[in-house]
Amino acid sequence: QQQVKQSPQSLIVQKGGISIINCAYENTAFDYFPWYQQFPGKGPALLIAIRPDVSEKKEGRFTISFNKSAKQFSLHIMDSQPGDSATYFCAANRGSNDYKLSFGAGTTVTVRA
Amino acid sequence: DTEVTQTPKHLVMGMTNKKSLKCEQHMGHRAMYWYKQKAKKPPELMFVYSYEKLSINESVPSRFSPECPNSSLLNLHLHALQPEDSALYLCASSQAGGARAYEQYFGPGTRLTVT
Repeated sequence: QQQVKQSPQSLIVQKGGISIINCAYENTAFDYFPWYQQFPGKGPALLIAIRPDVSEKKEGRFTISFNKSAKQFSLHIMDSQPGDSATYFCAANRGSNDYKLSFGAGTTVTVRA
Repeated sequence: DTEVTQTPKHLVMGMTNKKSLKCEQHMGHRAMYWYKQKAKKPPELMFVYSYEKLSINESVPSRFSPECPNSSLLNLHLHALQPEDSALYLCASSQAGGARAYEQYFGPGTRLTVT
């Protein structure tokens, strides 16, 4: 049973466009919500993370929006570039010595030049 | 240094072979992980070591045997694997304890093929 649901499975965006990936969770014990980016042939890399007490966090062209009441969070990639083409995984973690990451199923983003 | 290294990059083994995967980090992290990743799927947690002690075993078959010789090294010993064990095996590390375990640093993985 997947604890974090992620959509869409894949998306194609033109260079300069906005990519949006959505995730939803049920377990209110989750306290950290990281996003990982994975390029083909590489391991995942932490991109950005947010906690439920923050509604938005921005790092460069990447923004996480968080809606605690709806138990949803999303990643926006602004001004998408071909180098952003990768698979993105949302995840959730309970903090406090919790070593487990509950990953979403992943979204493959393709940015066309 | 924020790098996790893994060797070998690729491994082909028969079902009767014994082989080992190796992982190393020098970030001072005291939690280390093994994950298995199938194509187009998220990583699946296999084992977690915290302060060199096995903390989590996600009901992994005994043909996979982890070992943590010291705080920088993590091994995964493989024996009598099945073709369905073919996958990308990822090592990761993080701070142990507290709330930073969500910040995991992954290696590039070992692509394992079982014939």
